[in-house]
Amino acid sequence: SAVISQKPSRDICQRGTSLTIQCQVDSQVTMMFWYRQQPGQSLTLIATANQGSEATYESGFVIDKFPISRPNLTFSTLTVSNMSPEDSSIYLCSVVAGGRRYEQYFGPGTRLTVT
Amino acid sequence: GENVEQHPSTLSVQEGDSAVIKCTYSDSASNYFPWYKQELGKRPQLIIDIRSNVGEKKDQRIAVTLNKTAKHFSLHITETQPEDSAVYFCAASGGSTLGRLYFGRGTQLTVWP
Repeated sequence: SAVISQKPSRDICQRGTSLTIQCQVDSQVTMMFWYRQQPGQSLTLIATANQGSEATYESGFVIDKFPISRPNLTFSTLTVSNMSPEDSSIYLCSVVAGGRRYEQYFGPGTRLTVT
Repeated sequence: GENVEQHPSTLSVQEGDSAVIKCTYSDSASNYFPWYKQELGKRPQLIIDIRSNVGEKKDQRIAVTLNKTAKHFSLHITETQPEDSAVYFCAASGGSTLGRLYFGRGTQLTVWP
């Protein structure tokens, strides 16, 4: 399995500001994704982070609000822009790893509170 | 897009009993169905998965069954223990959505000693 780390682990931000979350994987992975988990809720896919090209966003999520970078096969960032209290969530990156065996793992998450 | 329904939302069982959680999905192209366990304050942890070319898979006390015709899959936990208490999520992906997981709403499982 892949070892995934995220920074920061948590943050409290004021509305109207932006926060960039980093995701680092200990091995090269082809597929990398960003999810959101609102308090007490399930996980919702935000976007697929594509290496070398623009991210692919799910319905309801837009690049202006959640810009994503993926400069190489081990690293990605998600920015939450112009935050409002509704953006308070846990943001998790996820990767597909395992070589021949397809398995999908999650990072520890970034707990964001917007005041 | 894919729509995954999960039932029940809460499940309480006595230690040693079995627990069953059921999910249905809408996209017939989906072919990968993982189950995740999430303890409070922790990340989702992959506990078992199944692919569409397999009808059942077991790993010790955990088993998953898949019925592609009916588009439903289930998680079975036998001989439950208090440490099995957590939220369990089913998910689906595959076809045009390979790698993109669509989750059920989750089941809060409580195992009473």
